[in-house]
Amino acid sequence: EAGVAQSPRYKIIEKRQSVAFWCNPISGHATLYWYQQILGQGPKLLIQFQNNGVVDDSQLPKDRFSAERLKGVDSTLKIQPAKLEDSAVYLCASSLNPPGQGAHEQFFGPGTRLTVL
Amino acid sequence: GEDVEQSLFLSVREGDSSVINCTYTDSSSTYLYWYKQEPGAGLQLLTYIFSNMDMKQDQRLTVLLNKKDKHLSLRIADTQTGDSAIYFCAEKGDSSYKLIFGSGTRLLVRP
Repeated sequence: EAGVAQSPRYKIIEKRQSVAFWCNPISGHATLYWYQQILGQGPKLLIQFQNNGVVDDSQLPKDRFSAERLKGVDSTLKIQPAKLEDSAVYLCASSLNPPGQGAHEQFFGPGTRLTVL
Repeated sequence: GEDVEQSLFLSVREGDSSVINCTYTDSSSTYLYWYKQEPGAGLQLLTYIFSNMDMKQDQRLTVLLNKKDKHLSLRIADTQTGDSAIYFCAEKGDSSYKLIFGSGTRLLVRP
């Protein structure tokens, strides 16, 4: 079974530029998550999709971050314009069970390391 | 609010046991998880425990849960150099689908 795929693996941009990250979840996983992991911290949830609908985006800085999952499979996360404090690893995860069912195991991709100069 | 805390660093000798500790504040937590993160990689789920259990064993891994003290620990028996990584504790509340992660414990295994 293929895991969660993410691209690019690394990205370096200057502040005020735009950047987009792509995620392909495990086949059949209806729930998709984007996390931000700042160096030295644990991942923090930015947004959660159930199929192509947003379940929770309460922690997403909507003035600069946007995400979509148009066909309920792949997802993109965009930052426009980027700030220095956006430097982090952006992790995508997917799960088979909907929220509230069972152990709700989440499978993580390798992440995209973003450096904003 | 929800909070998960871990010690930052643990160093052990190869072959010894490692014990990584975690405390959490959400008394309604239903599941508690241990994830492993190796350099440049995503998080790998090692094990999880349901809140009505107090122990779970899986090969070299033993999870102990003290629900009264809201304390979770991960014991790795016969620690190997390949176990060197950052270990994250996470909890999921009864009314929430979110995973709340600690800041991670960096485990260094010395030969």
